[in-house]
Amino acid sequence: GAVVSQHPSWVICKSGTSVKIECRSLDFQATTMFWYRQFPKQSLMLMATSNEGSKATYEQGVEKDKFLINHASLTLSTLTVTSAHPEDSSFYICSARDRRGNSPLHFGNGTRLTVT
Amino acid sequence: AQTVTQSQPEMSVQEAETVTLSCTYDTSESDYYLFWYKQPPSRQMILVIRQEAYKQQNATENRFSVNFQKAAKSFSLKISDSQLGDAAMYFCAYSDFGNEKLTFGTGTRLTIIP
Repeated sequence: GAVVSQHPSWVICKSGTSVKIECRSLDFQATTMFWYRQFPKQSLMLMATSNEGSKATYEQGVEKDKFLINHASLTLSTLTVTSAHPEDSSFYICSARDRRGNSPLHFGNGTRLTVT
Repeated sequence: AQTVTQSQPEMSVQEAETVTLSCTYDTSESDYYLFWYKQPPSRQMILVIRQEAYKQQNATENRFSVNFQKAAKSFSLKISDSQLGDAAMYFCAYSDFGNEKLTFGTGTRLTIIP
């Protein structure tokens, strides 16, 4: 079945540094990918929609300069958390759908970010 | 804006019994999708079942079925013959027709009692 791979699965970084998270569709092409954020014991909140070859669309309240999204190919989207702060610590999950047909969204296995 | 409400933060059920998880939503759209996702401790989001709003027939997937009440904007999930592997967080979610952005509820943590 379709697989979405997210890397790294966990990362610890110091305040002020930047962290890049990758989301890859392994056996299908995705023109659109989505980035979600999940705080402990809370629901998933959509951060942005990543569009291949164009700028990402950010949800209200999400700082586009802080959460940089690049969707350079049909199989890869990256989320870079710039100048990370402890409040950015969270679980980040991406999702993607095969651009062919009416298949459901596939989620990555998530990335746990801890900023110290 | 669409909203999804899950009023049961936690539920528990005896193994082999049946449990129903509640979900209500609010939208002004007539065509949309509703979903139930399962998130086990691994944090992987797993699609359990999907319902298209224009279909009156309730979706079923093996032991999982929904009770979709469009007029009441209610979308409950019934799990029959509960198994230990069903223990997880369950999220109800909504998306507009033709839009893959998901709006999630706050989740229900399901515990299976052996």
